[in-house]
Amino acid sequence: DVKVTQSSRYLVKRTGEKVFLECVQDMDHENMFWYRQDPGLGLRLIYFSYDVKMKEKGDIPEGYSVSREKKERFSLILESASTNQTSMYLCASSKGRNLNQPQHFGDGTRLSIL
Amino acid sequence: AQSVSQHNHHVILSEAASLELGCNYSYGGTVNLFWYVQYPGQHLQLLLKYFSGDPLVKGIKGFEAEFIKSKFSFNLRKPSVQWSDTAEYFCAVIRGGGADGLTFGKGTHLIIQP
Repeated sequence: DVKVTQSSRYLVKRTGEKVFLECVQDMDHENMFWYRQDPGLGLRLIYFSYDVKMKEKGDIPEGYSVSREKKERFSLILESASTNQTSMYLCASSKGRNLNQPQHFGDGTRLSIL
Repeated sequence: AQSVSQHNHHVILSEAASLELGCNYSYGGTVNLFWYVQYPGQHLQLLLKYFSGDPLVKGIKGFEAEFIKSKFSFNLRKPSVQWSDTAEYFCAVIRGGGADGLTFGKGTHLIIQP
């Protein structure tokens, strides 16, 4: 069974801090994704990656960056955290060269920016 | 850009009632369609998917969905719900090539009263 592991379940940071959210998948999936989930807004795609060192902007990339140095790990970086980035962050992965395969999700990181 | 509309944000039903959750999408070309479910405190899980072929697809836990291309719809149904179906349900769409990533609806929070 696919396992997508997010490093923290809950995280509290201060405004202006640089924040790293880590995600690891154990099934050798090519594609990895970062979403944020907000009440009434559903899931919105921040960034995704289809290969090591490759990244593509999603619908709401502003204020975020990503890093994929190894196939199994996809990091989301908040360069200078702001209160409007308080949210639940979900990492997902999927197999294959085509991005239309079902995605497997981690448990999420609930991030609070004070 | 493609968009996904889920008609009901909150649905409350009694056990054994029939369920239909609406989902419409805006893209006119080839699409792949998904329903995901998020039970309280758990990660998102794939409920069912449609890629091609029979437009009536069956998923886990007695759920099914029907793809009606002429209506741009992919409604989720279950003939008799259980208390354990209480969850948030997300419809998601991806264009055939997947270049834009997965687009999620805003979710429907389903509450089943015993």
